[in-house]
Amino acid sequence: DAMVIQNPRYQVTQFGKPVTLSCSQTLNHNVMYWYQQKSSQAPKLLFHYYDKDFNNEADTPDNFQSRRPNTSFCFLDIRSPGLGDAAMYLCATSGEGTGRTYEQYFGPGTRLTVT
Amino acid sequence: RKEVEQDPGPFNVPEGATVAFNCTYSNSASQSFFWYRQDCRKEPKLLMSVYSSGNEDGRFTAQLNRASQYISLLIRDSKLSDSATYLCVVPRSSGSARQLTFGSGTQLTVLP
Repeated sequence: DAMVIQNPRYQVTQFGKPVTLSCSQTLNHNVMYWYQQKSSQAPKLLFHYYDKDFNNEADTPDNFQSRRPNTSFCFLDIRSPGLGDAAMYLCATSGEGTGRTYEQYFGPGTRLTVT
Repeated sequence: RKEVEQDPGPFNVPEGATVAFNCTYSNSASQSFFWYRQDCRKEPKLLMSVYSSGNEDGRFTAQLNRASQYISLLIRDSKLSDSATYLCVVPRSSGSARQLTFGSGTQLTVLP
């Protein structure tokens, strides 16, 4: 089945220690998104890639970076995690030109704990 | 007005009941609307897409009122498995429409 996969599902890192979260998709969608979701809050968009074109949200801290080496993979790098970065990180994809352009499909998420 | 505003909830209903959630949005140019379902500590899952006046899928009906800028989700014959948080989602009013704005969600608990 076509899907969005995130690894790891749970990640524990130390304060200030860089961490990378990964996302892969078999949907062949050209847009990939990274969201941060804290408890009882709506998902907050950090950035997205339209093909190779990176689009950062104005309020995303510089501490958060992303890479998309190819259509299938996208990475979220947190350079110096703080306690406030503990959250669920959700990867999503959408396929423009598929007729269902704005429908986003989410991976299972990576729950990040910062100690 | 907020970009997306939902009923505050929580809704606690007995099994078999009909329940409706409302959502208002500010972007009058929006052409597409979505309801996502999110279970506790899981990812949001697309429940319904609305591209015209409404959509129906089994026990679920979504209706769009463009004049009043609100979308509703009706769940008939509620099941225990319908317990979740329901997120109203619309394209953002600025920037690319591929960027979605999520409502804060309405929590539903279906009681036996």
